[in-house]
Amino acid sequence: GQQLNQSPQSMFIQEGEDVSMNCTSSSIFNTWLWYKQEPGEGPVLLIALYKAGELTSNGRLTAQFGITRKDSFLNISASIPSDVGIYFCAVNTGNQFYFGTGTSLTVIP
Amino acid sequence: ETGVTQSPTHLIKTRGQQVTLRCSSQSGHNTVSWYQQALGQGPQFIFQYYREEENGRGNFPPRFSGLQFPNYSSELNVNALELDDSALYLCASSPAGHYSYEQYFGPGTRLTVT
Repeated sequence: GQQLNQSPQSMFIQEGEDVSMNCTSSSIFNTWLWYKQEPGEGPVLLIALYKAGELTSNGRLTAQFGITRKDSFLNISASIPSDVGIYFCAVNTGNQFYFGTGTSLTVIP
Repeated sequence: ETGVTQSPTHLIKTRGQQVTLRCSSQSGHNTVSWYQQALGQGPQFIFQYYREEENGRGNFPPRFSGLQFPNYSSELNVNALELDDSALYLCASSPAGHYSYEQYFGPGTRLTVT
């Protein structure tokens, strides 16, 4: 299957700081999605990207579809305690879906 | 608008038994996908159902099977349970058309195999 590598694996930041994380692959994809998962819950869709180079925002979150179509980036500005969770990138190829390894975010008040 | 619901919430089974998990899709969504999420890992795609037929499958053995009903709800069946089947099983629904890649997840069923 496809390998989506996310970095960093985990982050510990102070409330108010900005966060950057990325997702890379050796293959080209036409769609990149970002999800957040909190303990005991299913992943929640944050942002969907459909075009190389596309930059899309959702509140304090901004995601970019890499120009090579092999990567994507997620930024969170002015982090708050409720940003805590695991962030996953995901892609679709044909009728198969793949999720990344996840970035665990801890926000220290 | 009702979101994706799954039942049961938790389940404990013995190795070798069979299990059926259920999912109701979000209103207006006609495609359902199932995922297995082991502890500390990302969701692994099992299969997807569209118009009551399997429409894509991940690297899972045939003892993982599914159904989709005319109301778009779905079941995941796992036969001959193994200890490694212990995981959170997630169902996701998505709409038809341009936004079909945008999947909306239920809270999951936690399966423990002893």
